[in-house]
Amino acid sequence: KQEVTQIPAALSVPEGENLVLNCSFTDSAIYNLQWFRQDPGKGLTSLLLIQSSQREQTSGRLNASLDKSSGRSTLYIAASQPGDSATYLCAVRRDAGNMLTFGGGTRLMVKP
Amino acid sequence: NAGVMQNPRHLVRRRGQEARLRCSPMKGHSHVYWYRQLPEEGLKFMVYLQKENIIDESGMPKERFSAEFPKEGPSILRIQQVVRGDSAAYFCASSSKTGVYEQYFGPGTRLTVT
Repeated sequence: KQEVTQIPAALSVPEGENLVLNCSFTDSAIYNLQWFRQDPGKGLTSLLLIQSSQREQTSGRLNASLDKSSGRSTLYIAASQPGDSATYLCAVRRDAGNMLTFGGGTRLMVKP
Repeated sequence: NAGVMQNPRHLVRRRGQEARLRCSPMKGHSHVYWYRQLPEEGLKFMVYLQKENIIDESGMPKERFSAEFPKEGPSILRIQQVVRGDSAAYFCASSSKTGVYEQYFGPGTRLTVT
């Protein structure tokens, strides 16, 4: 059974810092991995999707990497801003069209 | 292209009543997934449907919960005889049947059982 863990559970940083969020999964046989953002009381916004054959994906100030063999992914946020404050979730998919298994999330607070 | 739509956004039910949650997938998407987020817990998969078929319901409680995705109309998650422990945010996601199956999420329905 796939288990996804995110460390740290919460993180508070001053504005402008670069930061790394970590995600690990127990079963390396994945189809792809998605990073999401969730604002309080809201739905999920997809940030990046990495296919199992890829090593990284970039979108603006975000960069996600994937090391499938070691069961790890990182989300790098450059030059953090207060608007980045949210909960960040990673989720893995075992097969095409299969459901996502989510980590517990990292709650990020960026202080002005 | 409208995103995934869910209604109602907030639903209050008394114990013992029925709750019906609706999800309209993104245009062109034929795969629908339901997830539940209990207070202070992570998102957990409930059920995966394609038009007129339940593909995987391994995450759905055996009692009181059912889901459908008819040929026409939205997907429905139905909870009969609700209990306080059903209070949660219920999210629907959809994906296309080709490509990378990226899932797009709706805003969720927040169910409160009093």
